[in-house]
Amino acid sequence: AQTVTQSQPEMSVQEAETVTLSCTYDTSESDYYLFWYKQPPSRQMILVIRQEAYKQQNATENRFSVNFQKAAKSFSLKISDSQLGDAAMYFCASMYNNNDMRFGAGTRLTVKP
Amino acid sequence: EADIYQTPRYLVIGTGKKITLECSQTMGHDKMYWYQQDPGMELHLIHYSYGVNSTEKGDLSSESTVSRIRTEHFPLTLESARPSHTSQYLCASSEWDSLNYGYTFGSGTRLTVV
Repeated sequence: AQTVTQSQPEMSVQEAETVTLSCTYDTSESDYYLFWYKQPPSRQMILVIRQEAYKQQNATENRFSVNFQKAAKSFSLKISDSQLGDAAMYFCASMYNNNDMRFGAGTRLTVKP
Repeated sequence: EADIYQTPRYLVIGTGKKITLECSQTMGHDKMYWYQQDPGMELHLIHYSYGVNSTEKGDLSSESTVSRIRTEHFPLTLESARPSHTSQYLCASSEWDSLNYGYTFGSGTRLTVV
């Protein structure tokens, strides 16, 4: 079974600064995918970034990047140059073999102007 | 524009009532999912479908039922609502190759049973 743990219920960051959200996971699979989703207040959850476990290179999407440490089973999300629109719940998730996605409990990110 | 729609967004209903939460997607996705989301908790999968006439229960035990008569439509029904059903319900869909594309989520239905 896969489990995903987000140990930071809440985080805050000053606008234009950088913040890192933590995520650890547990799986016995060798091939799997990891995701970060963003859920703004009262709005749809959207995919921020995904990482394939067999790729060593960390994924990046504009201001969003991940630090994927496969041996440590760690998958943190770094948001650079934080903007007010980044305020949201962020969920880490894992999936293997095209089966259902498993989510962490989420981290609420506040961006201070 | 291709998207996934959930109605209603908010629902307050009395105990014992039958309710149906609607979910429709216009992307032609084979796979659809229902998640239950409580504050500070991970999303829990309660039902999923891999295509028409295919429905399965997820990990979280739920008294709800689902149907998949059409590809685009995946409604969730509670025959007799109880206060313990109060939660947010998220519908999602994905391509068959969900690993490469992830899930597309609806905006959710926040259900309150009084």
